[in-house]
Amino acid sequence: TQLLEQSPQFLSIQEGENLTVYCNSSSVFSSLQWYRQEPGEGPVLLVTVVTGGEVKKLKRLTFQFGDARKDSSLHITAAQPGDTGLYLCAGIDFNDYKLSFGAGTTVTVRA
Amino acid sequence: EAGVAQSPRYKIIEKRQSVAFWCNPISGHATLYWYQQILGQGPKLLIQFQNNGVVDDSQLPKDRFSAERLKGVDSTLKIQPAKLEDSAVYLCASSPQGYNEQFFGPGTRLTVL
Repeated sequence: TQLLEQSPQFLSIQEGENLTVYCNSSSVFSSLQWYRQEPGEGPVLLVTVVTGGEVKKLKRLTFQFGDARKDSSLHITAAQPGDTGLYLCAGIDFNDYKLSFGAGTTVTVRA
Repeated sequence: EAGVAQSPRYKIIEKRQSVAFWCNPISGHATLYWYQQILGQGPKLLIQFQNNGVVDDSQLPKDRFSAERLKGVDSTLKIQPAKLEDSAVYLCASSPQGYNEQFFGPGTRLTVL
């Protein structure tokens, strides 16, 4: 099992502020996914990043895959209460395509 | 399109009792996964099926956990007997064959007292 570390563990911000969540590993992944999980629900895929250095934008969310394919970040601009949730990163193994999840970052956006 | 269905949504049992969870994946999805998500942790894969065959069960505690997907569609996960440390959310996910994206159900929250 490849270990993915997410930081910070918890993040509480005011509506309109920006935030960044980090996902780091000593392992190289073929690709990396970000999910958001709301209370009582399963994770929902936000994005898959495949190429080292890749940057993807999804409205106010910006995802970056590290050049060495070991780390990633998620940046939210002008956060809204609807962005509240558990953000999980998951690395995809080169050989068996299995997902290894990080422990997640719990984001709370206060109105 | 209907999503992944799971039942029950919540279950409370005493240690040493048995429990079973049911999952119906998205129609046509060949691959089905069961994950265990302990509070404060990310999901951990327990078992992966491709149609009705097991692809990976290396992290399934086989002395107490079992899973089947007899007709290659819906699946059941059983714990017998349950321990306190089995308290977690059990997530089922499915994906089309050869596809990276997994679609998750809402999960079953198990509390073992």
